[in-house]
Amino acid sequence: GDSVTQMEGPVTLSEEAFLTINCTYTATGYPSLFWYVQYPGEGLQLLLKATKADDKGSNKGFEATYRKETTSFHLEKGSVQVSDSAVYFCAPEVSGYQKVTFGTGTKLQVIP
Amino acid sequence: DAGVIQSPRHEVTEMGQEVTLRCKPISGHDYLFWYRQTMMRGLELLIYFNNNVPIDDSGMPEDRFSAKMPNASFSTLKIQPSEPRDSAVYFCASSPGTGVRYYEQYFGPGTRLTVT
Repeated sequence: GDSVTQMEGPVTLSEEAFLTINCTYTATGYPSLFWYVQYPGEGLQLLLKATKADDKGSNKGFEATYRKETTSFHLEKGSVQVSDSAVYFCAPEVSGYQKVTFGTGTKLQVIP
Repeated sequence: DAGVIQSPRHEVTEMGQEVTLRCKPISGHDYLFWYRQTMMRGLELLIYFNNNVPIDDSGMPEDRFSAKMPNASFSTLKIQPSEPRDSAVYFCASSPGTGVRYYEQYFGPGTRLTVT
């Protein structure tokens, strides 16, 4: 069945450091891919998405590229800020079911 | 739009009591999802609806849990009787189901349930 694997956290970085959070998935066909973010005490919110191979989703300085060959959708940011401290979830679409599979989440802590 | 609305935001109850969580999805969204989040199990999909009809309830943990969607603007998740292991944050989310954003889910702020 469909599944998603994302890197274990927590990830602790200094402000202005480079961020990568790895995500790989198994799925039928070529699903749309999403990253969601959850700030403390809040619900999840969509961060970015990509709907087909080689697409790059971007938002708030974050980027992720749909890599069909490696079935990956790694999240990157060139310079993190304290305000980016949150939990990040990778979520591939489950084809034909109008739902997504959420990864386990990766907690990011950015220190000044 | 006001976004997805959930009530109550916090609920503390004693074991054995009935608990009802409420959700108002974004107007015009065709899909509604109920999730549960705990440290141990992460984010779990409990059930989801399309046009008020339950599509998949395979994530509902047991018969103590039930969910309804009597109309397009309201859904409930009921636990009867509640147990301490039901303590979690319960999220409701809705999705358009059509258009370029058809797969995007919009989450409510959650209900933090504590069963003592």
